[in-house]
Amino acid sequence: SQTIHQWPATLVQPVGSPLSLECTVEGTSNPNLYWYRQAAGRGLQLLFYSVGIGQISSEVPQNLSASRPQDRQFILSSKKLLLSDSGFYLCACGQASGNTIYFGEGSWLTVV
Amino acid sequence: KQEVTQIPAALSVPEGENLVLNCSFTDSAIYNLQWFRQDPGKGLTSLLLIQSSQREQTSGRLNASLDKSSGRSTLYIAASQPGDSATYLCAVRPAGFQKLVFGTGTRLLVSP
Repeated sequence: SQTIHQWPATLVQPVGSPLSLECTVEGTSNPNLYWYRQAAGRGLQLLFYSVGIGQISSEVPQNLSASRPQDRQFILSSKKLLLSDSGFYLCACGQASGNTIYFGEGSWLTVV
Repeated sequence: KQEVTQIPAALSVPEGENLVLNCSFTDSAIYNLQWFRQDPGKGLTSLLLIQSSQREQTSGRLNASLDKSSGRSTLYIAASQPGDSATYLCAVRPAGFQKLVFGTGTRLLVSP
């Protein structure tokens, strides 16, 4: 079965600082990968998804970016964090031909 | 644009009750619909997945139904237990897309 690792689990960063959240997947190959954000009191918002190495689709214009340097590695980055970037970030994976999407345990980001 | 709504936003019931959570979506062109459970501060766990051609799926005390033409799904939980307390999220995969669109969830509290 698929296992998703996310780190760091918790992060407190000052406004204007950079960000790097990393996600790696085990137990599958050539997965679709996703970054979701869950802000307080709101639903899950899809930020980015990737169907292959170097292929990134952005769903929401923002100061975040994503990269997929390897088949099972997905990175969420920012050059300068905003207060509004605070939230719970979830990495997920699934197969193009499959159905279920699996989620990691999430990364809590607080921008102060 | 697909939109997913969940009612109620919160629900509090005594242990042993049968309950129904509702999910509605605006575009009936979906590939599948999935119900997830999220414990506080944690990632999502998939509960049930219903393909667009199916009417319902069952797993233990859980039963999910799908009426694609009316844009509705229900999650039925039988004989609720305190351990069922969590947020339940409904998500649809639009036809032709490799992503999920989530509702804002129903927060369930089952009291002993």
